[in-house]
Amino acid sequence: AQRVTQPEKLLSVFKGAPVELKCNYSYSGSPELFWYVQYSRQRLQLLLRHISRESIKGFTADLNKGETSFHLKKPFAQEEDSAMYYCALISSASKIIFGSGTRLSIRP
Amino acid sequence: NAGVTQTPKFQVLKTGQSMTLQCAQDMNHEYMSWYRQDPGMGLRLIHYSVGAGITDQGEVPNGYNVSRSTTEDFPLRLLSAAPSQTSVYFCASTRTGDGYTFGSGTRLTVV
Repeated sequence: AQRVTQPEKLLSVFKGAPVELKCNYSYSGSPELFWYVQYSRQRLQLLLRHISRESIKGFTADLNKGETSFHLKKPFAQEEDSAMYYCALISSASKIIFGSGTRLSIRP
Repeated sequence: NAGVTQTPKFQVLKTGQSMTLQCAQDMNHEYMSWYRQDPGMGLRLIHYSVGAGITDQGEVPNGYNVSRSTTEDFPLRLLSAAPSQTSVYFCASTRTGDGYTFGSGTRLTVV
């Protein structure tokens, strides 16, 4: 079964601390994985895709096929990082499967 | 280039009323989808379309209809609104190899 799991509903860290948002997936083929971010009452925005291996707003994510994970990391959290983060997988039929989301709260 | 445009932004319906949520994209994307976002549930797929004239059901299709007569438009119809359909609805589109582009959402309340 195709599934994306984000085990933490809420993650609260202090400003300046490292952040890791966990994402595990279950998919039989070669997945396309993404992270989306939703700031309060705004539209969902694409943050990262695994194929581009980029760093956006200081965030990075590495696909680990052995552990079937795609964790989102940032070395030093900033207050403006507070948002809802969704890990997502796009199947070969271009259906997108979302995790349930993790709310990241950065404490000053 | 407006991206994905959803209207209306807010709507209040009475139980039993019908309405259509509009979604349009100007990026010539072949794939379009509708999601609902509920607290603690993340995003759930309602219906999707892989091209004009082709639609299919997602995870939670009951109570909703869609059609895709053109590449640009993908309206979502609520046939007889129920309080359980109170949610935030997002339309999204993509083409092969890209991530999805999302609309700004429609906040629907059914009383």
